[in-house]
Amino acid sequence: KAGVTQTPRYLIKTRGQQVTLSCSPISGHRSVSWYQQTPGQGLQFLFEYFSETQRNKGNFPGRFSGRQFSNSRSEMNVSTLELGDSALYLCASSLTLQGGYEQYFGPGTRLTVT
Amino acid sequence: AQSVTQPDIHITVSEGASLELRCNYSYGATPYLFWYVQSPGQGLQLLLKYFSGDTLVQGIKGFEAEFKRSQSSFNLRKPSVHWSDAAEYFCAVGAPMTGNQFYFGTGTSLTVIP
Repeated sequence: KAGVTQTPRYLIKTRGQQVTLSCSPISGHRSVSWYQQTPGQGLQFLFEYFSETQRNKGNFPGRFSGRQFSNSRSEMNVSTLELGDSALYLCASSLTLQGGYEQYFGPGTRLTVT
Repeated sequence: AQSVTQPDIHITVSEGASLELRCNYSYGATPYLFWYVQSPGQGLQLLLKYFSGDTLVQGIKGFEAEFKRSQSSFNLRKPSVHWSDAAEYFCAVGAPMTGNQFYFGTGTSLTVIP
């Protein structure tokens, strides 16, 4: 069974631009969560989607948004990029929303904002 | 709210020596507990998890962890470290009522010397 895939793997953007990252979960998994990883803040939860609806949201500004499609694939969007948005963005998939199931992480998208 | 503390930022051990990585959590009830490992430039790989039941859990790659409710700890252990174990280790906590929103510790970087 294929793992979680994320595209693109690397991205360089300029401050003020917007960016869209994509995540394909493991087949059969319906929950997709997004995390931001930076050296200073570590791993921080962005949001979780299940059945095309945002179910949980972390403490990030509204510039960070996401969506989930009917096939469970998910995208996250960051508008008006700031230098501080440079990070590794990790997507994780899980079987359900209930918790108590492990999350499987993708390799991440490395975003650099210049 | 949940929180996770990994007191050791960096640990160096000799190959073949035993290893213990510390993790303390804050949560009002019994949480879901996880250990993940991250190699440079990679996503997170699940080592083991604790949901309930036996407090000593076995994971992949010869790792084990013990849940101690009285100490709010979930320390990771390995009897004999291999050079390939050098990586970043993250402890994470989830909760039954918060879906798949995990709180991660800041990580412990493990160096293995020959």
